[in-house]
Amino acid sequence: EVQLVESGGTLVQPGGSLRLSCGASGFTFSSHSMNWVRQAPGKGLEWISYISSTTATVYYADSVKGRFTISRDNAKNSVYLQMNSLRVEDTAVYYCARDAMTTIPRFDSWGQGTLVTVSS
Amino acid sequence: DIQMTQSPSSLSASVGDRVTITCRASQSINNYLNWYQQKPGKAPQLLIYAASSLQSGVPSRFSGSGSGTFFTLTISSLQVEDFATYFCQQSYRAPRTFGQGSKVEIK
Repeated sequence: EVQLVESGGTLVQPGGSLRLSCGASGFTFSSHSMNWVRQAPGKGLEWISYISSTTATVYYADSVKGRFTISRDNAKNSVYLQMNSLRVEDTAVYYCARDAMTTIPRFDSWGQGTLVTVSS
Repeated sequence: DIQMTQSPSSLSASVGDRVTITCRASQSINNYLNWYQQKPGKAPQLLIYAASSLQSGVPSRFSGSGSGTFFTLTISSLQVEDFATYFCQQSYRAPRTFGQGSKVEIK
């Protein structure tokens, strides 16, 4: 069974930093690209970052570019999101999501999410 | 960025109703369109990919159609467990933008 488990979410002050982790199991992690998607309270979904299976390619949404860094450790079956210079508007549930290994990209598995609250 | 616009933002329907949600892209995305279902407090789940392909395990009452800039998600006979919010997403080009969501509520 495919499982993705996020951790690291907590309350942090504006301007602070946080590192989210997503541990994967039940599939060959090193073969899949991974993503982070967030959802502010009561709002819709926002894709924020992508990393290819080999880490050769990364993408970021404009809203987090220059502040967030995605990385992965295939030996540990984990993907990470380093978040710096956090803002109140970064408050959200953060999901990691797996890309299916096909020509039409899609998020075929999601974690349960971890809540990040940015507040003073 | 490619903008995705869903309609309606919310709707009320009864069990057994046929429900259709539309999604428009601001430019052609061929068939690079996915649909997700999200229930309160839960992570989204993939329903439809490549505009019309049913994800494994998803009931056949769900169907998708469209190409280019106009897409639809149809639930042929609404069930209690289908009351949720539905999101479309384009995967044609980064950033992989989502629609704003369509909430299906019980009438």
